Amino acid sequence: AQSVTQLGSHVSVSEGALVLLRCNYSSSVPPYLFWYVQYPNQGLQLLLKYTSAATLVKGINGFEAEFKKSETSFHLTKPSAHMSDAAEYFCAVSWDAGNMLTFGGGTRLMVKP
Amino acid sequence: EPEVTQTPSHQVTQMGQEVILRCVPISNHLYFYWYRQILGQKVEFLVSFYNNEISEKSEIFDDQFSVERPDGSNFTLKIRSTKLEDSAMYFCASKASGAGTGELFFGEGSRLTVL
Repeated sequence: AQSVTQLGSHVSVSEGALVLLRCNYSSSVPPYLFWYVQYPNQGLQLLLKYTSAATLVKGINGFEAEFKKSETSFHLTKPSAHMSDAAEYFCAVSWDAGNMLTFGGGTRLMVKP
Repeated sequence: EPEVTQTPSHQVTQMGQEVILRCVPISNHLYFYWYRQILGQKVEFLVSFYNNEISEKSEIFDDQFSVERPDGSNFTLKIRSTKLEDSAMYFCASKASGAGTGELFFGEGSRLTVL
C-alpha cells in the first residue's frame, strides 16, 4: 500500500533557527503533495502544495518545500522559526488529483525562545 | 473568510448509541469529505461525496457509517451503533472543484468519545 512517512514525531528548534520537517512517500508514480498545519484547537490549514509545476513550492508564513523525485521526498523548510510556528504539521499525498489524501503521522514543531 | 463549520465540537456517547456529526461546508463547494484521526494516529480518509452520492470510501467506512446532505447546506456523518474504537476526532472538508488539485478546506473537527 502507498504510504507517507514523516520522520520525527516531535521537532524542537530555537526561535530564528532553520526549520526542517521531513516527508517521504512510497510510490513510483509522483503524486500530488501537500503540507497542512494544525494549530491547537483548530482545523487543518493548507500550507502549500505541489502539483507537477515547479519543484520548489512556496507557501504561506514563509514556508517552502522541495519535491525531489529521486528521493521521493517533499521536505518542508523555513529559514527562521518564529514562536507562532509552533503547531502540528502534516504531509499528505494524493494520487487522484487531491480527492483522497493519505496523511503522514504528523510532526509537532516546538519553538524555544 | 468562508470556512467549514462542524458541530458538535465534542460529543460523549455510550457504546451502541447512534451519533450524527454535522458539517456546513463552504457554500459554493461541490465535493465533501470526512476524515478521522484516532488519538495518536494518522489522519485517515473515510469518504468523499459528490452530486449527492458517495464517490469513494475507505475500508473504515463500513455499514455502520453513512453520509447525507439532507438540505443542500449540511453534510452529516452518521455512526449507527458506536463502538469504543470509533472514538476519534472527525474532520469534515470541502472542495470547490474536482478538477486539478483544488484546496480541501477542513473544519475544526468534532471529537467523539465513546464510553
